[in-house]
Amino acid sequence: DQQVKQNSPSLSVQEGRISILNCDYTNSMFDYFLWYKKYPAEGPTFLISISSIKDKNEDGRFTVFLNKSAKHLSLHIVPSQPGDSAVYFCAASQGGSEKLVFGKGTKLTVNP
Amino acid sequence: ETGVTQSPTHLIKTRGQQVTLRCSSQSGHNTVSWYQQALGQGPQFIFQYYREEENGRGNFPPRFSGLQFPNYSSELNVNALELDDSALYLCASQAGVGAKNIQYFGAGTRLSVL
Repeated sequence: DQQVKQNSPSLSVQEGRISILNCDYTNSMFDYFLWYKKYPAEGPTFLISISSIKDKNEDGRFTVFLNKSAKHLSLHIVPSQPGDSAVYFCAASQGGSEKLVFGKGTKLTVNP
Repeated sequence: ETGVTQSPTHLIKTRGQQVTLRCSSQSGHNTVSWYQQALGQGPQFIFQYYREEENGRGNFPPRFSGLQFPNYSSELNVNALELDDSALYLCASQAGVGAKNIQYFGAGTRLSVL
C-alpha cells in the first residue's frame, strides 16, 4: 500500500514557465514533508521541506504548498530552467522520524 | 557533491550469495540511513544507525543487516541474495537524528542479482 503517491510519472514544460509537481499521501500521521531532486547517476538532493503546521514554504524559485485536509502537497518552480530537468521525489515523515517514505517520483523536463 | 561516497558503484552477484555495500558519511555526520530503490520506484527505508546502534528499521527481513563504525562509515550486508534484491542501494548521512536534519545521499550502489 503506497502511502505517498506521485501520480504523474512525467511532466514537460517550457523554459520560463511554471512547473507544478503534485503529491498525495494517505497517512494522516505524516507531519513533515520534503522534496528531493535527482539527476542521473547522482543521489537525491534535498530541495525544500514543509512542516504540517504550515501551508506554504518558499525558497527562491521553489515553493511548496500543503493542503492537509486534502492530504495533498505541490511543488511550484517559477520560472523553470533547463537545469531543473530531473526526477523529483516527494517524501513524508511521521513524528519527526528520519524514516522517510518516498513517492515513485516525477520526471520533469524543461525545454529551452 | 554531498560528501557521501558509496562503493562499489556496480555489483553483480548470483542468487544465494552474500554482499557487503559500503558508505562513507559526510564529515561530522553521526547518523546514516540505508534505502533500497527498485526500478521505477522511490527509495524505501531499510534501517538507520545512530552512533553505531541501529535506530529504526523498515519492512526488510533480518538477512538485511548493517554496521556503523566509530568513524561513522557504515556497511549494508545482505545474505542469501534473491532476484528481487536487484536494486539501487542508497545511503544517506545526517548530523543527528530527526527528519528536520537534512539527509545527504550518496550516488548509490547498483546491485544486480542473477
